[in-house]
Amino acid sequence: GAGVSQSPRYKVAKRGQDVALRCDPISGHVSLFWYQQALGQGPEFLTYFQNEAQLDKSGLPSDRFFAERPEGSVSTLKIQRTQQEDSAVYLCASSLYLEQGRNQPQHFGDGTRLSIL
Amino acid sequence: AQKITQTQPGMFVQEKEAVTLDCTYDTSDPSYGLFWYKQPSSGEMIFLIYQGSYDQQNATEGRYSLNFQKARKSANLVISASQLGDSAMYFCAMRDSAAGNQFYFGTGTSLTVIP
Repeated sequence: GAGVSQSPRYKVAKRGQDVALRCDPISGHVSLFWYQQALGQGPEFLTYFQNEAQLDKSGLPSDRFFAERPEGSVSTLKIQRTQQEDSAVYLCASSLYLEQGRNQPQHFGDGTRLSIL
Repeated sequence: AQKITQTQPGMFVQEKEAVTLDCTYDTSDPSYGLFWYKQPSSGEMIFLIYQGSYDQQNATEGRYSLNFQKARKSANLVISASQLGDSAMYFCAMRDSAAGNQFYFGTGTSLTVIP
């Protein structure tokens, strides 16, 4: 497709369950980002991939959060043993290669709204 | 310290009027980029406009323009001739070298266009 695609659009899980969120970036985009957006807040950075390499995971809130992009295209964000505080919208974004000093806009998907009961 | 500050939680504007959404930023890096995104109630983040720290002129994209005041570290978004479809959340974001590749986002401004 032309844009960033995320699935599922909505996910409801019980506390303690594991969830997996999928992101399909724009074709040809080397860089891929995951963000967490709490209600009424701006997106907060979670992790960044350049191709299949996870270059920055400083924003992951705990070791229950894990992201991968094994073939450098589709990415999965996995949350293990979910907690209620994990309830948020999870946004995926992709961009062209970010050379040092160059700035490219990030193109976002529609997000996955995760609710933990 | 907050990298991006948006001090207007909510704004109202009459249809066809212009509106300015405020954004101030904090960085000691001489090389940085500033971005504005629109987020309608449906949730998608739509890229609007970009301003580079070395750009000599203010960025413009159609009805959107960026009032970039480098010394004041402000990058206000101006929307001219507001339309009902402009009602949404608006986020200011910054990327600098210290940030690596992540964007820092502000808390957003909710804009409502009144018919």
